[in-house]
Amino acid sequence: AQSVAQPEDQVNVAEGNPLTVKCTYSVSGNPYLFWYVQYPNRGLQFLLKYITGDNLVKGSYGFEAEFNKSQTSFHLKKPSALVSDSALYFCAVRDISSGSARQLTFGSGTQLTVLP
Amino acid sequence: DGGITQSPKYLFRKEGQNVTLSCEQNLNHDAMYWYRQDPGQGLRLIYYSQIVNDFQKGDIAEGYSVSREKKESFPLTVTSAQKNPTAFYLCASRLAGGPGELFFGEGSRLTVL
Repeated sequence: AQSVAQPEDQVNVAEGNPLTVKCTYSVSGNPYLFWYVQYPNRGLQFLLKYITGDNLVKGSYGFEAEFNKSQTSFHLKKPSALVSDSALYFCAVRDISSGSARQLTFGSGTQLTVLP
Repeated sequence: DGGITQSPKYLFRKEGQNVTLSCEQNLNHDAMYWYRQDPGQGLRLIYYSQIVNDFQKGDIAEGYSVSREKKESFPLTVTSAQKNPTAFYLCASRLAGGPGELFFGEGSRLTVL
């Protein structure tokens, strides 16, 4: 079975400060990991993914994420937050080693609010 | 431009009525998915299809039906058997095989009156 947890429903950060949105996962084999962003009443937009290789993955809009196998985490980060980064963020995992390799499992989402 | 088109954006339904949500993609993707989104619950998989004329149930398929007669189209019918259909519905697609990310449509918001 595969699962993903986003332990914070809400994250608030001041504009210009660094931001972190946390994600931990559980898979029986090796994971593919993804981050998506959603603005109100819109679909999800892909930010970045980890497949293999370098543990630090860079994505769209200045976001990056660090894969940590020992802690089974894939936290999303940005060095300097913008008000326009305020949105709902989803972490997702696919276990490439199991029969559920066709499906993504999503976390419950973290609402990021960047305060001016 | 390539993408996924969902329609209608907003839909209102009376109890006991079936409604069909449209999803069309011109990305030449093999796999297509339907998710339901409720506040605080993330995305839950309703149905998915890897190839034409084949589809599988997801985690919450009861009260829903789909068809995949064409590669580019994957409509979702919300039937009267779905007890709590008010939700935001998202269609997605990706290339089959490999780690490819999902591409999402803009969603359809269904409200039962």
